Amino acid sequence: DTEVTQTPKHLVMGMTNKKSLKCEQHMGHRAMYWYKQKAKKPPELMFVYSYEKLSINESVPSRFSPECPNSSLLNLHLHALQPEDSALYLCASSQKTSASSDTQYFGPGTRLTVL
Amino acid sequence: AQTVTQSQPEMSVQEAETVTLSCTYDTSESNYYLFWYKQPPSRQMILVIRQEAYKQQNATENRFSVNFQKAAKSFSLKISDSQLGDTAMYFCAFTDRGGSEKLVFGKGMKLTVNP
Repeated sequence: DTEVTQTPKHLVMGMTNKKSLKCEQHMGHRAMYWYKQKAKKPPELMFVYSYEKLSINESVPSRFSPECPNSSLLNLHLHALQPEDSALYLCASSQKTSASSDTQYFGPGTRLTVL
Repeated sequence: AQTVTQSQPEMSVQEAETVTLSCTYDTSESNYYLFWYKQPPSRQMILVIRQEAYKQQNATENRFSVNFQKAAKSFSLKISDSQLGDTAMYFCAFTDRGGSEKLVFGKGMKLTVNP
């Protein structure tokens, strides 16, 4: 089973709203990722959590705040977003062992629209 | 820094035909992984095939196979007996085995399979 789930599927929010995106995996993977993807472009890495600790922050604005409450769950808290933040937000996970290929498995994404 | 290049932005093929998608990459690493991901209009990023650089044998997955030329740093994807469901964006991606946790994507290529 290589399933990563994301909720919600769609989200519309105003620039003053606070919302959260949720990602879950039950494959025992120890690395989880957030990506932002604009139409017809490849995904852009935002954050990486490795063993529940933030290991990479790709200089993402502070209006995006990641959280990893446990090894199966990854959240992305959103506050005071801008219209240009509208995009597909993808979550991924990988095994993160020395013997693994670190193959990343992606969730279906949350389509975010900021008005 | 590693780079991945997909020089063909778009291709179309007739159903049941064979099509080859090209990808080249640049790295100073000797041990790494290469991937092809497919992203249909539903936007879910799906792993198609994976190649480990230290394996000389080309990976195959049903109708999908790769031609991995390590010296030339080339990693093309061949899709045999194309089906309508193969219509999607295809991304070539690279990650090293050093645990960098970063997946480097090409710009992607839009494949359309026509009936």
